[in-house]
Amino acid sequence: NAGVMQNPRHLVRRRGQEARLRCSPMKGHSHVYWYRQLPEEGLKFMVYLQKENIIDESGMPKERFSAEFPKEGPSILRIQQVVRGDSAAYFCASSSGQGADNEKLFFGSGTQLSVL
Amino acid sequence: GQSLEQPSEVTAVEGAIVQINCTYQTSGFYGLSWYQQHDGGAPTFLSYNALDGLEETGRFSSFLSRSDSYGYLLLQELQMKDSASYFCGGSGGYQKVTFGTGTKLQVIP
Repeated sequence: NAGVMQNPRHLVRRRGQEARLRCSPMKGHSHVYWYRQLPEEGLKFMVYLQKENIIDESGMPKERFSAEFPKEGPSILRIQQVVRGDSAAYFCASSSGQGADNEKLFFGSGTQLSVL
Repeated sequence: GQSLEQPSEVTAVEGAIVQINCTYQTSGFYGLSWYQQHDGGAPTFLSYNALDGLEETGRFSSFLSRSDSYGYLLLQELQMKDSASYFCGGSGGYQKVTFGTGTKLQVIP
């Protein structure tokens, strides 16, 4: 499967625990986006990364949230000390980063985070 | 900054044509894209307009007018399976892609 792979599909955490969401981009893609979506709402931009570089993190809260996309391995969205308000679907998307194709995003199936 | 506005809901009859509008305010605007998302599913890419005018892909067409900061998605020969949410997306070149508020389309028999 050469598509965008996210895991886990479902993640349950208790308040105060850490959540780690993983995303492997489509083969050949070097740019990764993370979006958050609440039920019946839109896709809220969080962070835009290139390998070993954060391009734009303006949508990500300064505290408790961090993201990385290392040279080797998947992109990781990390949420520390989760609170109930972090419960949402988190989607990862990738693009080639080349010209107009940078606008064409391929999405993973998402990770549904539930905080108890 | 970047903001894109869409109607929240649209209802149309099976077999008909429906147009979903998107107005935007973006700095250094690069192009307009459209995505479909079924309930519980992931967004999937439908079309992208880099230039003004109409792009056609099967039953779906997308239009962009930069001078009017406006675009739309046109769905023809509506089918029940087209019931989904539709998002327009835009960016300022090599920047984040920001999405509109989304339009929930309900196709009725």
